[in-house]
Amino acid sequence: EAQVTQNPRYLITVTGKKLTVTCSQNMNHEYMSWYRQDPGLGLRQIYYSMNVEVTDKGDVPEGYKVSRKEKRNFPLILESPSPNQTSLYFCASSKGNRGLITDTQYFGPGTRLTVL
Amino acid sequence: AQSVSQHNHHVILSEAASLELGCNYSYGGTVNLFWYVQYPGQHLQLLLKYFSGDPLVKGIKGFEAEFIKSKFSFNLRKPSVQWSDTAEYFCAFSRSGSARQLTFGSGTQLTVLP
Repeated sequence: EAQVTQNPRYLITVTGKKLTVTCSQNMNHEYMSWYRQDPGLGLRQIYYSMNVEVTDKGDVPEGYKVSRKEKRNFPLILESPSPNQTSLYFCASSKGNRGLITDTQYFGPGTRLTVL
Repeated sequence: AQSVSQHNHHVILSEAASLELGCNYSYGGTVNLFWYVQYPGQHLQLLLKYFSGDPLVKGIKGFEAEFIKSKFSFNLRKPSVQWSDTAEYFCAFSRSGSARQLTFGSGTQLTVLP
């Protein structure tokens, strides 16, 4: 089954404790992206990746890091989480061609993060 | 900066009523347009998309949207809503030819009363 998976689905942590949210897709998609969803603000893009070892900032990258060492995985890293990073996070993937999104994005189930 | 406006934050309808959700984008060039839906507790799913061609696009579950370039709009419609359409709806767009980012609107919560 074609899917995007995220782990963990729920996480409660404390300020400053490094964490990683994993994202994996089995569709051989070139493009992957991370979003955060906050009430009244919709989804805002954090980082995206056009292919292995190619990443770029989205609209709200501060406080986040990503890496793309393998095509299927795109982990989101919070080196020193703060309460304003409490949010619902979605990973997504899409076909890409010549560095462009060329099709629908497929979303993971979401990770609800609470930073105390 | 490119942006998407969804003016209706919360819409409440009775079953069988007609639906139209507004979406306007700000970008002067060619665009790809999307409507995604998020049912309670679930992840986003694509309802429909417009890349080129016929500006009237039909999606899943009886939804359709019309791209009006002169108005920078991509409104979502359904002639008769059902209780199961209760969800949050997001409009999004990317720039054709340089589509590296997908920009979302803030969403419209639709509640359909049985």
